[in-house]
Amino acid sequence: DAEITQSPRHKITETGRQVTLACHQTWNHNNMFWYRQDLGHGLRLIHYSYGVQDTNKGEVSDGYSVSRSNTEDLPLTLESAASSQTSVYFCASSERIARDTDTQYFGPGTRLTVL
Amino acid sequence: GDSVTQMEGPVTLSEEAFLTINCTYTATGYPSLFWYVQYPGEGLQLLLKATKADDKGSNKGFEATYRKETTSFHLEKGSVQVSDSAVYFCALSRGLTSYDKVIFGPGTSLSVIP
Repeated sequence: DAEITQSPRHKITETGRQVTLACHQTWNHNNMFWYRQDLGHGLRLIHYSYGVQDTNKGEVSDGYSVSRSNTEDLPLTLESAASSQTSVYFCASSERIARDTDTQYFGPGTRLTVL
Repeated sequence: GDSVTQMEGPVTLSEEAFLTINCTYTATGYPSLFWYVQYPGEGLQLLLKATKADDKGSNKGFEATYRKETTSFHLEKGSVQVSDSAVYFCALSRGLTSYDKVIFGPGTSLSVIP
């Protein structure tokens, strides 16, 4: 069965370190997304990609970057981790065919703690 | 800008009680509307959706009707079970130029007690 996986599931790091969170999907979806989930804020979009070599900023992109070198993967990098980036991170993907098929499929999440 | 508002809860109900979680939205054009559910320790998964006015989405006993006149998409279930305990997110996806992006509400936590 197709799926979307994230690794690691839990990560503790120190302020100032570079951290990369992996996202891998086997749906062969063109669209991929990164969100962060914080109490009181719901899900907020960090970055998204509509295909290989395409990346776009979401509403909370400062301090984060992504790259899309293939269809399956969209790694999220925190350039210099800050305590404000302690959160649960979700990756999602969707198929770009038509307006009615824009359901997003989510990974299980990565809980990141920045000390 | 586009937005989704929903009751944040937490909502606590007894098993077999009736559930309503209110959701209203602000958007230009004709968005698609969704309810996603997040069980403890898991990612979100689609519960139901509706793509045009007066459409009713339904799944696992949950229903929601797209009401354009009141810009609402309230989630209902006639008899909740303990296994329905989760966080429920209302969401919208709008327009032809940005249909791939989804705007989520803050989520409503539901606890069902035996």
